[in-house]
Amino acid sequence: EAQVTQNPRYLITVTGKKLTVTCSQNMNHEYMSWYRQDPGLGLRQIYYSMNVEVTDKGDVPEGYKVSRKEKRNFPLILESPSPNQTSLYFCASSSTGLAGVNEQFFGPGTRLTVL
Amino acid sequence: EDQVTQSPEALRLQEGESSSLNCSYTVSGLRGLFWYRQDPGKGPEFLFTLYSAGEEKEKERLKATLTKKESFLHITAPKPEDSATYLCAVHSLNRDDKIIFGKGTRLHILP
Repeated sequence: EAQVTQNPRYLITVTGKKLTVTCSQNMNHEYMSWYRQDPGLGLRQIYYSMNVEVTDKGDVPEGYKVSRKEKRNFPLILESPSPNQTSLYFCASSSTGLAGVNEQFFGPGTRLTVL
Repeated sequence: EDQVTQSPEALRLQEGESSSLNCSYTVSGLRGLFWYRQDPGKGPEFLFTLYSAGEEKEKERLKATLTKKESFLHITAPKPEDSATYLCAVHSLNRDDKIIFGKGTRLHILP
């Protein structure tokens, strides 16, 4: 089954404790992206990657890191989480074509709470 | 600055009452406009991609249209299972490969 998986699905942590949220896709997609979704603010892009070893900032990259060492994986790293990073996080992947990014497939989400 | 604005924020309809959701965008050049549906607590699900003004796409009770400044998602004779948040997203020419989402329209269909 074609899918994007994220782990963990739920996480409660404390300020400053480094964490990683994993994301994996089995569709051989070139493009992968991380979003956060907050009430009243909608979905905002954190980082994206067009291919292995190529990553770029989205609109809200502060406090986050990513890496793309393999095509299927795109982990999101919070080196020193703060309460304002409490949010619902989505990973997505997409194939690319002449017009650029095609439709994205989203993971189930990771609900993160930073105390 | 590129922007995507969706209206209304929320919409309540009776079952069978047709309506339209709006997505207006200001970008320097449009690569693609996407519509997604999101159910509570789940990731968005793809509905349509539109690339150029005048383009239309249909799927069951949904029809998406595109002009140079906005897109409409028309819902014909909706059913309660159409209740969801509908998201519009834009891929613009001058934003590399960033994607901008609107804040969505929460649609509630009453039986």
